[in-house]
Amino acid sequence: SQTIHQWPATLVQPVGSPLSLECTVEGTSNPNLYWYRQAAGRGLQLLFYSVGIGQISSEVPQNLSASRPQDRQFILSSKKLLLSDSGFYLCACTRDRGNSPLHFGNGTRLTVT
Amino acid sequence: QKEVEQNSGPLSVPEGAIASLNCTYSDRVSQSFFWYRQYSGKSPELIMSIYSNGDKEDGRFTAQLNKASQYVSLLIRDSQPSDSATYLCAVNWKGGGADGLTFGKGTHLIIQP
Repeated sequence: SQTIHQWPATLVQPVGSPLSLECTVEGTSNPNLYWYRQAAGRGLQLLFYSVGIGQISSEVPQNLSASRPQDRQFILSSKKLLLSDSGFYLCACTRDRGNSPLHFGNGTRLTVT
Repeated sequence: QKEVEQNSGPLSVPEGAIASLNCTYSDRVSQSFFWYRQYSGKSPELIMSIYSNGDKEDGRFTAQLNKASQYVSLLIRDSQPSDSATYLCAVNWKGGGADGLTFGKGTHLIIQP
């Protein structure tokens, strides 16, 4: 079964600073990869998903971007963080485009101050 | 717009009793259904998948699906304090592809010792 590595686990960044969160997957090839955000007391919000290297779809227009430089690597970035970017960021993957469930990494707790 | 609805709770259940969690969804063409458990500060963990009408049992957990009525439920028998968590319902729309999974906002379950 796949294993999802996410780091760092927690991050405190000032407003206006850049961001880079990395996610790597083991145990599967050509996975679908996702970035979700969960704000305090709110549901899961899909930010980006990718079905292959260099293929990124954005669900929510904002100051975040994503890249997939390798098959099992997914990166979430920002050039300038906003206070509203605070939240719990989760990387997830599925094996295929069918009915496979999502599996989540351990997440990164981002606090923008 | 495809929606997944859950009662946010908190749902309080005495230890040893059956906890019943419900989820309704808006689109009849939904194809697969998942229940996730999320402990406070942790990432969601898949506990059940169900794809066809009826019941599916796994240990103390039973998922029930009724596509005609557009609801899916999760029963937890012999509830334990360790079952206290937020339970997320997720629905995969038929033909939804990589972005076809929609989450409810979750039900906060408290098991009282």
